[in-house]
Amino acid sequence: GAVVSQHPSWVICKSGTSVKIECRSLDFQATTMFWYRQFPKQSLMLMATSNEGSKATYEQGVEKDKFLINHASLTLSTLTVTSAHPEDSSFYICSARDNRAEQYFGPGTRLTVT
Amino acid sequence: DAKTTQPTSMDCAEGRAANLPCNHSTISGNEYVYWYRQIHSQGPQYIIHGLKNNETNEMASLIITEDRKSSTLILPHATLRDTAVYYCIVRVAGGNAGNMLTFGGGTRLMVKP
Repeated sequence: GAVVSQHPSWVICKSGTSVKIECRSLDFQATTMFWYRQFPKQSLMLMATSNEGSKATYEQGVEKDKFLINHASLTLSTLTVTSAHPEDSSFYICSARDNRAEQYFGPGTRLTVT
Repeated sequence: DAKTTQPTSMDCAEGRAANLPCNHSTISGNEYVYWYRQIHSQGPQYIIHGLKNNETNEMASLIITEDRKSSTLILPHATLRDTAVYYCIVRVAGGNAGNMLTFGGGTRLMVKP
């Protein structure tokens, strides 16, 4: 089956620094990738839709200047959390859509901002 | 996409069938029913999906009512490893860029020894 990887699986950073999370589709090409965020005991919330070669589309309430998304190739999308604060601590999950429009999820990245 | 309603939590004895209901009374004719599950601290895992016919795969069975307003996911012989949050999602299939999966609250299934 289709595999999506994320790196790193967990990261701890200091407040004010930036963190980059990578999402890769390993055995298929994904023109569209999605980024979700999940707080403890809550459901996944869609943050943005990333399209290869174009600007990402952000959901209402998500700051595009804080959560920078780059989808430079058909197998890689990155999410950069800029000037991270403790309230950005969360579980970030990416998803990639194949050419049949099926979505496959990565294992998630746990971000802790101290 | 149509909204879904699921019980917040359910318990199931190990080895017994787990039947997880989902209500999607406003589903449109071109919307599929998808089921995913999320084991603690992992990404969601696809289980099964269907349009109107019942479906079965190696993981589970999906029973969709004739009017398509509700469905049931059946795990025939639940194991402790099936403890997870199960999400029922309805969405239009196809390559529309806006056609992403939107998650509701899901059902927290606890399989007990």
